[in-house]
Amino acid sequence: DIQMTQSPSSLSASVGDRVTITCRASQGISNYLAWYQQKPGKVPKLLIYAASTLQSGVPSRFSGSGSGTDFTLTISSLQPEDVATYYCQKYNSAPLTFGQGTKLEIK
Amino acid sequence: EVQLVESGGGLVQPGGSLKLSCAASGFTFSGSAMHWVRQASGKGLEWVGRIRSKANSYATAYAASVKGRFTISRDDSKNTAYLQMNSLKTEDTAVYYCTRLAYYYGSGSYSPGGMDVWGQGTTVTVSS
Repeated sequence: DIQMTQSPSSLSASVGDRVTITCRASQGISNYLAWYQQKPGKVPKLLIYAASTLQSGVPSRFSGSGSGTDFTLTISSLQPEDVATYYCQKYNSAPLTFGQGTKLEIK
Repeated sequence: EVQLVESGGGLVQPGGSLKLSCAASGFTFSGSAMHWVRQASGKGLEWVGRIRSKANSYATAYAASVKGRFTISRDDSKNTAYLQMNSLKTEDTAVYYCTRLAYYYGSGSYSPGGMDVWGQGTTVTVSS
């Protein structure tokens, strides 16, 4: 099975900072990669699919890139409401594995 | 409004069984692949399994951790998906989410696009 590895596991940044989270697949998955945001006590929310397509209603400060094995989620200017745990997920074939998550906090 | 509502969670002893339901509304349930995802307290998301549509032969797939113990089914006439959990272990304790794999149209065909609709989750506790 393909493993998904996110880094870092946690990070702290200041409001306005550019934040980057990476996700690496153990084998190529083309662009079948999604990013989710889960705020404390809330249900996960789809941010990006097909590696770089922004889900409707998601702020444009979020962006995704990558293909094959290496992917990136970028927040261009961190806002207080972005405090959450972020997960990547491959969905090219079962099992639809999630990364272990990146917990983002405000410094 | 597009919505998924899970039910059926509760406390069960190790070795016991439980059946979760996921009622869908606001979209064409019969054409959708439905997935179950779980999350233990303070832990990450874990994909449990999925069932495809009738057009895709209701094909199922499961995570290795639940294969042979869990079964996913659906009743399109009731717009409901199910997760039958047998031989439950303490490590199955989690919030269980029902979710839909979205499809989008691009470059002349439909492609999967991530899980865009989630239920609120139902809690399963396996403990003696």
